[in-house]
Order: sequence, then structure tokens, then C-alpha cells
Amino acid sequence: GAGVSQSPRYKVAKRGQDVALRCDPISGHVSLFWYQQALGQGPEFLTYFQNEAQLDKSGLPSDRFFAERPEGSVSTLKIQRTQQEDSAVYLCASSLQGSEQFFGPGTRLTVL
Amino acid sequence: KNEVEQSPQNLTAQEGEFITINCSYSVGISALHWLQQHPGGGIVSLFMLSSGKKKHGRLIATINIQEKHSSLHITASHPRDSAVYICAVLLGAGGTSYGKLTFGQGTILTVHP
Repeated sequence: GAGVSQSPRYKVAKRGQDVALRCDPISGHVSLFWYQQALGQGPEFLTYFQNEAQLDKSGLPSDRFFAERPEGSVSTLKIQRTQQEDSAVYLCASSLQGSEQFFGPGTRLTVL
Repeated sequence: KNEVEQSPQNLTAQEGEFITINCSYSVGISALHWLQQHPGGGIVSLFMLSSGKKKHGRLIATINIQEKHSSLHITASHPRDSAVYICAVLLGAGGTSYGKLTFGQGTILTVHP
């Protein structure tokens, strides 16, 4: 595709529900990043993939957060037993290794 | 203290004014990004720079590595420039090398006609 796409764009979940957020990176991009952006704040790093390998997951806030990229392209960020503090915009970005990152439109998650 | 600090947090200007947004960082970096985010929209990379100055249209970005400071300037501002501008750094030696970004909190710019 022409850019990074994310789905859904908006997600409303009841507290305790599991959610899955999808990221389609630019074709051929080796690196894939997930970021979390709380309202009024800058994004914060969650996790990084190089192809299918998750090389850094130091930013995942709890073990309820899980990310995968099994075939080195599409990635899914899963949040189990959502809490209100998980409400944020989740951004995905991809890049050729070490170069400029291209961001997706984000998924706005609201946990009620 | 955040590793990346931006100022001001909010900026209001009249159309045509010259605008400056500042970014200071406390860590060694290999590069710095300026990003633009429109309400409800994704993030667009404006500049990636590691030294000196870059210009694109009405936008100018400068960086002083010794002083750990960067500025984004907008000349002849226009209401369509209204957005959040975010500074982000790539850690340098001793940090990750794969492109992990550390972000400032953003500057909300509103340009009135």
C-alpha cells in the first residue's frame, strides 16, 4: 500500500474486554514500532520488531499487553482485560532499518 | 525530568507571523525528528536532522548538537499550519541503534486568520 494503515481507527471497549489492534506497514519495511499516546501527551514507545523478531518490548506497560508480527509484515497489538488507563491512541510506524519512520493514522481506544 | 522538553506547550499566532518552537534534550542523540500531528490524524515526519539546518518550503529546522537544542521555525504562518508539533530524538552511542524514538510532549500551534 501507499502508507502505513491501522485498523480499526476507533475502538470502544468495556472494561475487562480484550482488544486487538492491527497494523499494516509499508511493504518491505523491516522495522515496525508500536507507540502509545495518551491525551495531550507525546507518544511513548511500546515495542519494536525487526521482521518477525520482537527485539524490544521494554515499553509494554504490563503483561496484559502483547504484540506479534508472525510473518514479518502485519502486526497485531493485543490488550487483555482492558482498563480505563489503557485509553489512548495507539500508533504504529514502520521504516527501512535505521531510517525515517512512517506513521499510521493510529487507533483511538476508549475503555469505558 | 523528561529527556525531551519542548516549549512552549501552547502557541497562538496571527496569520503571517514568524513562529519558533524549541526542543531541548538531555541525552546523546544520533538524530532528531520534527513531526506534525493534525487533530484526529496520524503523524507526518517534517524533518530528520543530525546537524546544521534544513529547509522545506516555509519550514526551517535547526539543531545545535553541543547545546542539545533544536528549533522549528515557520515563516509566514497560515491557519493550515495549526497542528501539534512534536520533537523526537533517536538515541546515539550507548543507546539503541534501530530507531527507537523518545518524544517531547508536543506544542499545540493555533494560527488565526
